[in-house]
Amino acid sequence: DAGITQSPRHKVTETGTPVTLRCHQTENHRYMYWYRQDPGHGLRLIHYSYGVKDTDKGEVSDGYSVSRSKTEDFLLTLESATSSQTSVYFCAISQTDYNSPLHFGNGTRLTVT
Amino acid sequence: AQSVTQLDSHVSVSEGTPVLLRCNYSSSYSPSLFWYVQHPNKGLQLLLKYTSAATLVKGINGFEAEFKKSETSFHLTKPSAHMSDAAEYFCVVSSGGGADGLTFGKGTHLIIQP
Repeated sequence: DAGITQSPRHKVTETGTPVTLRCHQTENHRYMYWYRQDPGHGLRLIHYSYGVKDTDKGEVSDGYSVSRSKTEDFLLTLESATSSQTSVYFCAISQTDYNSPLHFGNGTRLTVT
Repeated sequence: AQSVTQLDSHVSVSEGTPVLLRCNYSSSYSPSLFWYVQHPNKGLQLLLKYTSAATLVKGINGFEAEFKKSETSFHLTKPSAHMSDAAEYFCVVSSGGGADGLTFGKGTHLIIQP
C-alpha cells in the first residue's frame, strides 16, 4: 500500500462543532485530494491540492476548508459540522494529475449527530 | 462535459464463472479510463487503466477491460471469479480537465456465490 495515513479512522461529533481530518503521506506526491463517499453517489471531490499552499475547490466544497502547509500533510476542516456531512472521507494522492492513478487512504468514518 | 454510467448496481456470480461489470462513458475528448476496486472498510485500489495505448488492458488479479470507442464502453471482465473478488468496483473517466477532471461511477457491488 502507498504510504497514506488518515486520522482519525472514526469520529462522532455533534452538530455545530468544528472537525479536522488529517491525511499524511510518505510518498512525496505532489497532488492530494479529499473525497467523500456516500451510498448511491460514488466518490465526490471536496478539495484538492497541487502543491504546498496551493489548493482548489472540487464538486462539493461548501462547508469544507483545507490547508496544506507541508508536502506530506493535507487537512480537511468542517467549520461547523452538519448532519449532511456524515460520510466516509477518503484522502488520495497522485504523482501528476488526471492521468496518474490515485492511491487512497483507508478512510475516516465521520458521524455528525 | 463527461459522465460515466455503471449499468449494474449489483452483480452476482458463482465462484469459478466469468465476471462482467459494465461501464459506459461519455466524453468530449479522448478519455483516460480506470477501474478501481474497494474491499470493505478499505480505500480504493487501482485495477487497471486505459490511456490510448492498447484497447485491451490487463490489470491485477486476472482482470481485464476492453476500450470500445464506437460503443463508448469500458467493460471489466475476469474469466473465473474467486471468493476474494467480492467487493465494490468503480469505473472512472478522465478527460484531461485538470486535477479535478475525474468522474467516478456510482459503483457495482460484486457478489460471489460459493
